[in-house]
Amino acid sequence: QQQVKQSPQSLIVQKGGIPIINCAYENTAFDYFPWYQQFPGKGPALLIAIRPDVSEKKEGRFTISFNKSAKQFSLHIMDSQPGDSATYFCAASQGGSEKLVFGKGTKLTVNP
Amino acid sequence: DAGITQSPRHKVTETGTPVTLRCHQTENHRYMYWYRQDPGHGLRLIHYSYGVKDTDKGEVSDGYSVSRSKTEDFLLTLESATSSQTSVYFCAISESMRPGEKLFFGSGTQLSVL
Repeated sequence: QQQVKQSPQSLIVQKGGIPIINCAYENTAFDYFPWYQQFPGKGPALLIAIRPDVSEKKEGRFTISFNKSAKQFSLHIMDSQPGDSATYFCAASQGGSEKLVFGKGTKLTVNP
Repeated sequence: DAGITQSPRHKVTETGTPVTLRCHQTENHRYMYWYRQDPGHGLRLIHYSYGVKDTDKGEVSDGYSVSRSKTEDFLLTLESATSSQTSVYFCAISESMRPGEKLFFGSGTQLSVL
């Protein structure tokens, strides 16, 4: 049973576009929702994270939107650049748990 | 990569042979994890450790064992490698306050089982 469902699997945008990656979860006990960014040949790295007490969080050009009632959250990348081309993973965890559950990933390509 | 070293970085082995991957950290973090990454499956947890000699299973633990005799080292062993274990293996570490949150990953080990 997949606990975090991520879409789309791949995404291609032009430079300056606003790619949006979506994730949905079932477990209402989840209380922490991070996004990880992975470049080829590297391990994933934490990009931005949100907790359910807020509906939006911005860090630079990256924004997480969170909809608690729909059990969905999404990553928006404003003014995307070719350097943003990477694989993005959403994830979720619940307080007190040692484990982080990941989505299957989205490969983003930003064309010049 | 946050003081995490995985070795080897690449390995090719034959079906049925034992394989051990090593993760070494210099951050003195309590929690260590082994994930595998496969196309279409994302990152899946194999095993994790919450202290020296304290380990537990993840969602894809069959065919794998782990050991942690020192805080800094976490070993992943494939007792008898199979082709389905061809994958990229990542080690991760986490601080102890909220361990399931901020993970720091190593650069990975590409394992090919022929």
